Amino acid sequence: DIQMTQSPPSLSASVGDRLTITCRASQNINNYLNWYQQKPGKAPKLLIYAASSLQSGVPSRFSGSGSGTDFTLTISSLQPEDFATYYCQQSYNTPRTFGQGTKLEIK
Amino acid sequence: QVQLQESGPGPVKPSQTLSLTCTVSGGSISSGSHYWSWIRQPAGKGLEWIGRVSSSGSTNYNPSLKSRVTISVDTPKNQFSLKLSSVTAADTAVYYCARPSIVARAFDVWGQGTMVTVSS
Repeated sequence: DIQMTQSPPSLSASVGDRLTITCRASQNINNYLNWYQQKPGKAPKLLIYAASSLQSGVPSRFSGSGSGTDFTLTISSLQPEDFATYYCQQSYNTPRTFGQGTKLEIK
Repeated sequence: QVQLQESGPGPVKPSQTLSLTCTVSGGSISSGSHYWSWIRQPAGKGLEWIGRVSSSGSTNYNPSLKSRVTISVDTPKNQFSLKLSSVTAADTAVYYCARPSIVARAFDVWGQGTMVTVSS
């Protein structure tokens, strides 16, 4: 199985901040990397697919980059509705695997 | 727009079989080349992919659960199902059904999730 490691596990930030979450794969996954946002009691929501493509309807303050084993999700200017948990996920092969999540909290 | 809805009988006793169904609405389960997936999430923990089924019945399972999992498709009913045998408390989780976009290879449609508790 491909292991996905996210960092940091949690972070505190303020509205308007720019922040970056990283995700590392245990082997080369090309650009088969997706990012999801999950709020309490809700299903995950797809934000970014194929490492850098913005899902339809997702605000442009979200962006993704990377290829191979190292990837980042950046939020350019945090909004109140962005405080949630973020997961990366590889779609290179099965079993599909997720990172352990990064919980974003209000400072 | 495709929507997914999980359903199941509720609490399950240890050693029994957990059975869930995902009903697809707003589109045909047979359209496109989608693989329909089950994903679970224990309370306060991360996401675990359980496995997937195609509309033709082809399956892939997570090796960690493979010996206990069966995923099947019922195209006339526009449903796919999960059976997980010999459950323990460790199988207590929210179970989601999800569909990946063919182009994106990412889960772009999710059910709302159903909580399954394994308890005697």
